[in-house]
Amino acid sequence: DAKTTQPNSMESNEEEPVHLPCNHSTISGTDYIHWYRQLPSQGPEYVIHGLTSNVNNRMASLAIAEDRKSSTLILHRATLRDAAVYYCILRDLNNAGNMLTFGGGTRLMVKP
Amino acid sequence: GAGVSQSPRYKVAKRGQDVALRCDPISGHVSLFWYQQALGQGPEFLTYFQNEAQLDKSGLPSDRFFAERPEGSVSTLKIQRTQQEDSAVYLCASSVRQGPSYEQYFGPGTRLTVT
Repeated sequence: DAKTTQPNSMESNEEEPVHLPCNHSTISGTDYIHWYRQLPSQGPEYVIHGLTSNVNNRMASLAIAEDRKSSTLILHRATLRDAAVYYCILRDLNNAGNMLTFGGGTRLMVKP
Repeated sequence: GAGVSQSPRYKVAKRGQDVALRCDPISGHVSLFWYQQALGQGPEFLTYFQNEAQLDKSGLPSDRFFAERPEGSVSTLKIQRTQQEDSAVYLCASSVRQGPSYEQYFGPGTRLTVT
């Protein structure tokens, strides 16, 4: 499976936008880009996913580079509740099991 | 609506004891996954069910680990003769169906401590 690279940690101020980067230079044409986050003492939760086009939902936006070798998760206005570990994950259309392969993720700290 | 539930939330076992961890997925979800999360690490895949069929158990660390989902709904992860290295949070997730565009919904996890 293609791997992803994320910064270990990032800091943000409350109510400011946050851009969380992810590099996936070996991505294949059948890989979906997923983002999950894990709040302290909770199970991971789905944030957003995309294949080629940018995506928006109520939680965040996902910007995918034209060559798909990188993507950015955008939180438009960070709140204290957004402090979590954010995981960028590739899921292969051809992987029958489609389990999630988590890396180390980015720990986002939000300052009031 | 009801999400994925897991029980117990916390389990302390003496080394050598057997434990059973339960997962109640979201009703109607076909796919069910078990993950193990060591302290400070991301979750790691253990096993996957589609309905009652266990289609992938490549992540189970040893033959002491066994999972079942006999009626295609509730699943149990059993660990025999627990060892200290089994201490971790065990996460269960379900998905409405198989495929990379379907999100997985996670339970809160069971924290297992082996003393």
